[in-house]
Amino acid sequence: GAVVSQHPSRVICKSGTSVKIECRSLDFQATTMFWYRQFPKQSLMLMATSNEGSKATYEQGVEKDKFLINHASLTLSTLTVTSAHPEDSSFYICSARVSYEAFFGQGTRLTVV
Amino acid sequence: AQSVTQLDSQVPVFEEAPVELRCNYSSSVSVYLFWYVQYPNQGLQLLLKYLSGSTLVESINGFEAEFNKSQTSFHLRKPSVHISDTAEYFCAVTRSNDYKLSFGAGTTVTVRA
Repeated sequence: GAVVSQHPSRVICKSGTSVKIECRSLDFQATTMFWYRQFPKQSLMLMATSNEGSKATYEQGVEKDKFLINHASLTLSTLTVTSAHPEDSSFYICSARVSYEAFFGQGTRLTVV
Repeated sequence: AQSVTQLDSQVPVFEEAPVELRCNYSSSVSVYLFWYVQYPNQGLQLLLKYLSGSTLVESINGFEAEFNKSQTSFHLRKPSVHISDTAEYFCAVTRSNDYKLSFGAGTTVTVRA
C-alpha cells in the first residue's frame, strides 16, 4: 500500500512558540491531504483538508490562523501550530487518499509546556 | 450525511478467547467499509476493508469482518486473540460518491493473560 510519512513523531515546545509538522506521501502523489487531531481515548477529529496549490478547507470550529496549512507540492503538506498553548497539546495525524482508500502517517505527539 | 456507531467503547478479553467488535453505519449513498487498528502513539493501520463482492473479508492476522447490508453493520471478529492484539480499533466508512471518510468513536481492546 501507499506510504505516508509524518515528522516529527514527538515534539515538546514552549508556550507561545510555533511548531511545524510535515506530512509526506512517499510513493505517490497526493493532491489532497487531511489533518486530524485526536484527544486521549477519542476518535479522530478532522481539522482541515489540504489542497495542493490552493487554500486549505477548515472544518467548523478550527482556527485557520492558529493551524496554518501549506500544501506546496504533490508530496508534502505541512501543519504549523502558531503561538502554541498547553491546550493545543494533542496527537496530530495526517492522511492522504488514493481513490477510496486513506493512508495515515504515524502521528505527532505535541506537548506544549 | 453519514455516521458510524461503534457500540462498545471498551472490550476486555482473555488471551485465546474470541472477540467481536460491533460497528453500525448509516448513509444515504453506498459506502466502502474499513477497520483500522491503532497502537499507542502511532497512526492508523488498515486492518481490512470491504468494497464489493464477498461480504466476508479477512485480514492476514486472523481478523475477519462481515458486511451486512440489511442491518447496515460491519462487525469485526477474531476467534482467538493474542496479547499483541491490545489496541484501539476504529470502524470507518467512505462514501462512494465523494470518498468522504467518517470514523466511529473507537473500541479499546485489552487482552489479558
